[in-house]
Amino acid sequence: AQKVTQAQTEISVVEKEDVTLDCVYETRDTTYYLFWYKQPPSGELVFLIRRNSFDEQNEISGRYSWNFQKSTSSFNFTITASQVVDSAVYFCALIWGGSEKLVFGKGTKLTVNP
Amino acid sequence: ETGVTQTPRHLVMGMTNKKSLKCEQHLGHNAMYWYKQSAKKPLELMFVYNFKEQTENNSVPSRFSPECPNSSHLFLHLHTLQPEDSALYLCASSQDLWRGAVDTQYFGPGTRLTVL
Repeated sequence: AQKVTQAQTEISVVEKEDVTLDCVYETRDTTYYLFWYKQPPSGELVFLIRRNSFDEQNEISGRYSWNFQKSTSSFNFTITASQVVDSAVYFCALIWGGSEKLVFGKGTKLTVNP
Repeated sequence: ETGVTQTPRHLVMGMTNKKSLKCEQHLGHNAMYWYKQSAKKPLELMFVYNFKEQTENNSVPSRFSPECPNSSHLFLHLHTLQPEDSALYLCASSQDLWRGAVDTQYFGPGTRLTVL
């Protein structure tokens, strides 16, 4: 079965702190894709990143970085020097090759306080 | 308009009403999706359309009826809903669906539905 676990329900930090959002996934497929989405209070899910199972290279985009480790089935997301605008619910998601079903974790609500 | 748009953004309806949610994508995609997001639950896939053909119905009750007249538009017709159907309904689109390939799904802002 495919499953995504985001164990952190809510995280609260002070502006400029670094914060890591955890994501652990389960799948028996060798070909799969992992995603992170951001959902601000407006409701729209904003696509942040996509990785496939054959590419374990970590990625950095500005203050955002992602650590993909197949050995631990994890795809963690770090925000460096957090800002108030980073406050949102962040979702990790999984889809396996040839499937139509994007499986989401329950999300982590991040609050960045000034 | 750019991306994926949804109307209305908010909807309040009684259990005996009939209403429709509209989604339009301006990305040139061929696959469209409806998701339901309830409080404290993971996002649930409801329906998938690829080139106007329904390819997935995730055991959704018949009081939800999707319609995809073309690759750019997707509707969700609602009738005799229950209070537990109150949720955020999100539409998404992706390039298209074919075996072995996965395209990124892009989401609209959602329709916040309240059933009284």
